[in-house]
Amino acid sequence: EVRLVESGGGLVQPGGSLRLSCSASGFTFSTFAMHWVRQAPGKGLEFVSAINNEGHTTYYPDSVKGRFTISRDNSKNTLYLEMGSLRPEDRAVYYCAREVGGWGGADYWGQGTLVTVSA
Amino acid sequence: QSALTQPASVSGSPGQSITISCTGTSSDVGGYNYVSWYQQHPGKAPKLMIYEVTNRPSGVSNRFSGSKSGNTASLTISGLQAEDEADYYCSSFTSIATYVFGTGTKVTVL
Repeated sequence: EVRLVESGGGLVQPGGSLRLSCSASGFTFSTFAMHWVRQAPGKGLEFVSAINNEGHTTYYPDSVKGRFTISRDNSKNTLYLEMGSLRPEDRAVYYCAREVGGWGGADYWGQGTLVTVSA
Repeated sequence: QSALTQPASVSGSPGQSITISCTGTSSDVGGYNYVSWYQQHPGKAPKLMIYEVTNRPSGVSNRFSGSKSGNTASLTISGLQAEDEADYYCSSFTSIATYVFGTGTKVTVL
C-alpha cells in the first residue's frame, strides 16, 4: 500500500524558517517524481514545488521561488521542503504527492501538515 | 501564472449527468495533454480522478470522464450519486514547467 506521511508543520513567526518532511512507503520511491501542494484554509489548491526522481531537477512557481527548496533522500525514502522567509500568506496545509508520471498529475497524496505563520 | 477558471458551483439530481469546465490558455490547458482532475471531500486530501485529459486511475468509477477542446477541459460525472458531492479541481502542466490548479467547483447533489 502506497503511503505518504508529512511532518514538521507548526507555528512559526513571519520571516522564520521551517522544514517539512514526507516519509514514503509502499512503492519504489527513487523511481517517482514528487510534489508539494498547499491549501490555505478555505481556499483552493496551489502548486508549491516538484522534484524529479533523482533529485537533480526542481520546479517552483514565482510565489515561493528563492524562499523554498525541495529536496529528497532516496536512501531514506523521504521528501523535504525547506521553507524560509515565511510570510502570513504561506499559512496552509502542505501536502506531499506522488507524480503519476510525465507531468500527468499526482496519484497519491499524504494527509497534509499545517503550517501557521503568525507573530 | 493565473489559476484556471472553473464555475464556483454545479448541482444535479441523483442519476443525472453534470459537466465541470476548466478554462486556461494556450500556455497551459491548450498547449499540453497534461490536464488532471481531483476530487476533495471536506477535511480530506485530494484524490486523482482523471489524468492526462482522459485517463482514469485504477479504482476510479467509469462514471467519471474527461475531455478537452482548445483551451478548455471538462470533467463529466454521469449517474450522479450522493457520494460525488465534493469539491473538484482541475490542474494543468504549464509552459514554465509548473502546475497550475483551477479555482475549484463545489458539486452539490440535490
